[in-house]
Amino acid sequence: DGGITQSPKYLFRKEGQNVTLSCEQNLNHDAMYWYRQDPGQGLRLIYYSQIVNDFQKGDIAEGYSVSREKKESFPLTVTSAQKNPTAFYLCASTPMSPTGGSNQPQHFGDGTRLSIL
Amino acid sequence: AQSVTQLGSHVSVSEGALVLLRCNYSSSVPPYLFWYVQYPNQGLQLLLKYTSAATLVKGINGFEAEFKKSETSFHLTKPSAHMSDAAEYFCAVSVYSSASKIIFGSGTRLSIRP
Repeated sequence: DGGITQSPKYLFRKEGQNVTLSCEQNLNHDAMYWYRQDPGQGLRLIYYSQIVNDFQKGDIAEGYSVSREKKESFPLTVTSAQKNPTAFYLCASTPMSPTGGSNQPQHFGDGTRLSIL
Repeated sequence: AQSVTQLGSHVSVSEGALVLLRCNYSSSVPPYLFWYVQYPNQGLQLLLKYTSAATLVKGINGFEAEFKKSETSFHLTKPSAHMSDAAEYFCAVSVYSSASKIIFGSGTRLSIRP
């Protein structure tokens, strides 16, 4: 079955450490997204990518970095500069139309919960 | 700019009662609207979507939503609540653009009383 796989499901970070969250999709979707979710809050966009080797900052990109070397993969690195990384991280994807936009819903992975040791 | 407001961060209903989760949107162009459900420690699952084909949209698990342009609303309803409906529900709006972004509401937690 097609879908989005996020790993690991739980991750712990030490002070001063960078950690990388994996997101892989086999839906052949062009666009991929990373969101952060805090308790009682909605989803906040960190980064998104519409095409390989290109990505844009979302609303809360500081302290995070991404890469898009393959269409299927969009890993997120939480750097030591992110002082409050404890949250639930969600990856999503969506197809794009030939004209570059999309009105399709986003498909989500099951998330990674990141905590501080 | 587009935005979504969900009225009520927590809604509690009795099993078998009507479920009504409220969502109002702001958009300068005809919007595409979605409702998602999230169970604990899981990702978001699409319940239904409005893309201008019909104002009353039926989704999975017996949920439906009605698009009302005059009220800029897209409220989610279910005639009879089940215990399994307990979850977080998110309303979202997307505007067709090169950015392909979706804006999410802050969510409504639905609790079901036995």
